[in-house]
Amino acid sequence: TQLLEQSPQFLSIQEGENLTVYCNSSSVFSSLQWYRQEPGEGPVLLVTVVTGGEVKKLKRLTFQFGDARKDSSLHITAAQPGDTGLYLCAGGRGNNDMRFGAGTRLTVKP
Amino acid sequence: DAGITQSPRYKITETGRQVTLMCHQTWSHSYMFWYRQDLGHGLRLIYYSAAADITDKGEVPDGYVVSRSKTENFPLTLESATRSQTSVYFCASRRGAGEKLFFGSGTQLSVL
Repeated sequence: TQLLEQSPQFLSIQEGENLTVYCNSSSVFSSLQWYRQEPGEGPVLLVTVVTGGEVKKLKRLTFQFGDARKDSSLHITAAQPGDTGLYLCAGGRGNNDMRFGAGTRLTVKP
Repeated sequence: DAGITQSPRYKITETGRQVTLMCHQTWSHSYMFWYRQDLGHGLRLIYYSAAADITDKGEVPDGYVVSRSKTENFPLTLESATRSQTSVYFCASRRGAGEKLFFGSGTQLSVL
């Protein structure tokens, strides 16, 4: 059983559409991170959120940490083919205990 | 900017053989980590190290051994490889607790 459940598992959309992916858990996390991973490469950190209710924006990407610090969402506005990749969330429960979700594989078609 | 490098990139081995995956970072980061990535499971922590000569178990340590005699290197050894250890292995490092985690490009290991 995954500590962090990500949904949807797969998402295929057209360029220009908006989308939201979710990361949910029954556990409370001290921080939550979002990564993007491209084929054949390691994950790259996009953002870290640490405060319940926190919202961070990174260009067309909006990240939100749930009030109870158990869940998070990633919203992409006007998706582009360059957004294609595997999006992973990771919850921190201490200095070295970072648990990852299984990821959402996003494909943006031109 | 080499940063963190893993070798080999691909490895095929047979069950029962010993295999060592290498990880080298040029930043002098204190913390280093080994993860495995499998479909449906995401990344799972195998072992981590907070400094040279300090290592600790993660979520899935059985069947693996690590060492950290130098800050920049963190090799992962499969003492007797099993088919269930077929996976993509990622090494990562960070400067301090709570700081950004940097990943290598991974080693794809197949155990036949």
